[in-house]
Amino acid sequence: DTGVSQDPRHKITKRGQNVTFRCDPISEHNRLYWYRQTLGQGPEFLTYFQNEAQLEKSRLLSDRFSAERPKGSFSTLEIQRTEQGDSAMYLCASSSTGGRSNQPQHFGDGTRLSIL
Amino acid sequence: GQNIDQPTEMTATEGAIVQINCTYQTSGFNGLFWYQQHAGEAPTFLSYNVLDGLEEKGRFSSFLSRSKGYSYLLLKELQMKDSASYLCAVRDLTDSWGKLQFGAGTQVVVTP
Repeated sequence: DTGVSQDPRHKITKRGQNVTFRCDPISEHNRLYWYRQTLGQGPEFLTYFQNEAQLEKSRLLSDRFSAERPKGSFSTLEIQRTEQGDSAMYLCASSSTGGRSNQPQHFGDGTRLSIL
Repeated sequence: GQNIDQPTEMTATEGAIVQINCTYQTSGFNGLFWYQQHAGEAPTFLSYNVLDGLEEKGRFSSFLSRSKGYSYLLLKELQMKDSASYLCAVRDLTDSWGKLQFGAGTQVVVTP
């Protein structure tokens, strides 16, 4: 079990640029979640995939944000025309559906985005 | 949606016990999770409660009272490495996909 991995760990970019982050979940997990976390706050839900299907998007996710999971394995989160307010830690988590409802979500170390 | 409240910070000495409280309001409760998060690292799963009562896992225990909308995480025999943020997260019945709503976290500082 190699855990959830995210790339890059850090991204610094100028306002207005596009950025893309990648998440590789634990291999047998079919559920994948994206969260955003700012300093001193807990993670906020952004979007969810079951296999390749995106089943829910938070109202926090503006039209500038798009996420994909094309083959039901890795996922990408793209932010277009970045703004100062997008600066945050972007966390990916995965879980299995399993037979029990208490399947915990396992988180990656996140991608820290800084907008100049 | 949910309102999840937990204290911002707690300080305790090595070897002591600390209890972190979490209160929540939800339209349909479907489980409560506790996570530990060290600065700059991923949240790691600690415990899960869906029924009332105490769940014990080594030095960590978690308690739930659904009627009171209340949970606590108990950390015993505190070690310096326990200095971290502790996140309370609730899952709602309406969120069948397992989405979690997190509190802001409680920063625990363990002193020598």
